[in-house]
Amino acid sequence: DSGVTQTPKHLITATGQRVTLRCSPRSGDLSVYWYQQSLDQGLQFLIQYYNGEERAKGNILERFSAQQFPDLHSELNLSSLELGDSALYFCASGRTSGTGELFFGEGSRLTVL
Amino acid sequence: AQTVTQSQPEMSVQEAETVTLSCTYDTSESDYYLFWYKQPPSRQMILVIRQEAYKQQNATENRFSVNFQKAAKSFSLKISDSQLGDAAMYFCAYRSYTGANSKLTFGKGITLSVRP
Repeated sequence: DSGVTQTPKHLITATGQRVTLRCSPRSGDLSVYWYQQSLDQGLQFLIQYYNGEERAKGNILERFSAQQFPDLHSELNLSSLELGDSALYFCASGRTSGTGELFFGEGSRLTVL
Repeated sequence: AQTVTQSQPEMSVQEAETVTLSCTYDTSESDYYLFWYKQPPSRQMILVIRQEAYKQQNATENRFSVNFQKAAKSFSLKISDSQLGDAAMYFCAYRSYTGANSKLTFGKGITLSVRP
């Protein structure tokens, strides 16, 4: 158990719809990272938040947005969904000091039909 | 920007044998972390081993060890006494040491199969 909690684990929806993925980081971690893993693909960095503020952006589509709340949980909002958005979405958290690794949740598997 | 390259998409090893997974990276930084993550069929991302660039000694974790060549920007993972449970996708990853808030940059991964 990494200590990072993601919900929902599975989500099936239709094209054009909007979904929200939720992530609770490990206790004490201020940074939250979102990654997308499409079928047979590597992990693509989407966005990072640190203590409520956006810190870095990767290949995140304009239809996607995220935020980190005062209690440090984060939400990734995906709108106007397309078939190609079907993927596994990971949340990871980490600290400014320590051993440097990021701890990953179990992922949210999104299927767009 | 940093890049991580895993040029072998698939590898296979006989149970109890040793296998080495290759990884190269490109960076202009001198301080950074390198990692190997394992992703079994459950899709959970599991840290296998980490290396800090300033440490010359290669990291080891039980049957897993790395060969870190900083000048060559190479970071290979050796799995000794391979077990069926080692079958998974393995990702090499880089993280800047700057502020330790930077993202992980992943290679495309390699699928390792273990033959009984």
